[in-house]
Amino acid sequence: AIRMTQSPSSFSASTGDRVTITCRASQGISSYLAWYQQKPGKAPKLLIYAASTLQSGVPSRFSGSGSGTDFTLTISCLQSEDFATYYCQQYYSYPLLTFGGGTKVEIK
Amino acid sequence: EVQLVESGGGLVQPGGSLRLSCAASGFTFSSYEMNWVRQAPGKGLEWVSYISSSGSTIYYADSVKGRFTISRDNAKNSLYLQMNSLRAEDTAVYYCARPAQPYGDSPYFDYWGQGTLVTVSS
Repeated sequence: AIRMTQSPSSFSASTGDRVTITCRASQGISSYLAWYQQKPGKAPKLLIYAASTLQSGVPSRFSGSGSGTDFTLTISCLQSEDFATYYCQQYYSYPLLTFGGGTKVEIK
Repeated sequence: EVQLVESGGGLVQPGGSLRLSCAASGFTFSSYEMNWVRQAPGKGLEWVSYISSSGSTIYYADSVKGRFTISRDNAKNSLYLQMNSLRAEDTAVYYCARPAQPYGDSPYFDYWGQGTLVTVSS
């Protein structure tokens, strides 16, 4: 099975910061990667697919990059509503899917 | 409006069984592959099972293989997860999730249910 490793697992940031979250696959997955945002008690929300394509309705401060094994999610200017946990998900081996362990973005 | 509504969760003893349901509306359910994803308390997301649009192809995570059974009724716009031989480590919120496009073109999930909590404890 393809393993997805996110880093860091959590960190603190301030409103207005530029933040970057990393996701690494245990083998090459081309660009078959999605990013989700999850807030406490809520279902995940799709942010980005195909590694860098923004889902409709998602603010442009979110961006994704990478291919192969290394991927990043960047929030260019952190807003209060962005404090949440973020997950990457590979779908290269669909229907066998795997998620990263999550990165919690907390308020500094 | 697309809606996915899970039900059937609850408290069950180890070794017991439970059947989850996911009622779909607002889209052509029979055209979409469907998945179950779970999340243990305070933990990350774990894919559980997949079923093709017709129900003819099914996959499971190793952690549930042989114990869980996914099924669907396209006439009732419903997805199911039969869970047997439940263990404490199956305790989680279970979500049904719909891919962004039908027919397997986009296996990332743009719609999720609200989740149903399964607690396995004596």
